[in-house]
Amino acid sequence: DAGITQSPRYKITETGRQVTLMCHQTWSHSYMFWYRQDLGHGLRLIYYSAAADITDKGEVPDGYVVSRSKTENFPLTLESATRSQTSVYFCASSMSSYEQYFGPGTRLTVT
Amino acid sequence: QKEVEQDPGPLSVPEGAIVSLNCTYSNSAFQYFMWYRQYSRKGPELLMYTYSSGNKEDGRFTAQVDKSSKYISLFIRDSQPSDSATYLCAMSEGHSGNTPLVFGKGTRLSVIA
Repeated sequence: DAGITQSPRYKITETGRQVTLMCHQTWSHSYMFWYRQDLGHGLRLIYYSAAADITDKGEVPDGYVVSRSKTENFPLTLESATRSQTSVYFCASSMSSYEQYFGPGTRLTVT
Repeated sequence: QKEVEQDPGPLSVPEGAIVSLNCTYSNSAFQYFMWYRQYSRKGPELLMYTYSSGNKEDGRFTAQVDKSSKYISLFIRDSQPSDSATYLCAMSEGHSGNTPLVFGKGTRLSVIA
């Protein structure tokens, strides 16, 4: 199906492990974003990308790494997972700033 | 103080009620104002957007922006149980994707049949 997909949908990992969350969109949107959503904090921007090979830090980038070698993919890697990174992660894509299309989310638990 | 403030609720109303959801902000450079709706265990979806000040109506939904007061509102008329969701306000300084959105924390709304 066309749209924006995230995988895995649910992930449990241990402290210190590396984990990669995948995001794929079929619209050829230029902009892609990674957010985390936590109770009491709302949606916070981790990283965003304006095009392939162009990425920028958002509000909470520490502990995360992104890459964008192809327009349609924007993986997010937690290099050494910590319990504070337990969250729901949303990927989004956009042709403009205000109309962002969100994926279904990945629920990550770090034990 | 966060750039965007939004009462988290929860807000519970009877079916058919008029609902008012609000956000305040501190950054006078914001020009684009959005409302996103998020159902439980789903990603947010854009409901409405407004550029600068003024009102915008779409069916049962009306968005208002008062830049002089740094205050935005979303009104839902004839609320339905299907409107039960979390409503997130979001704002941006510019149109380009290089100017990220700043979100409020969201208000959880329950419409009781």
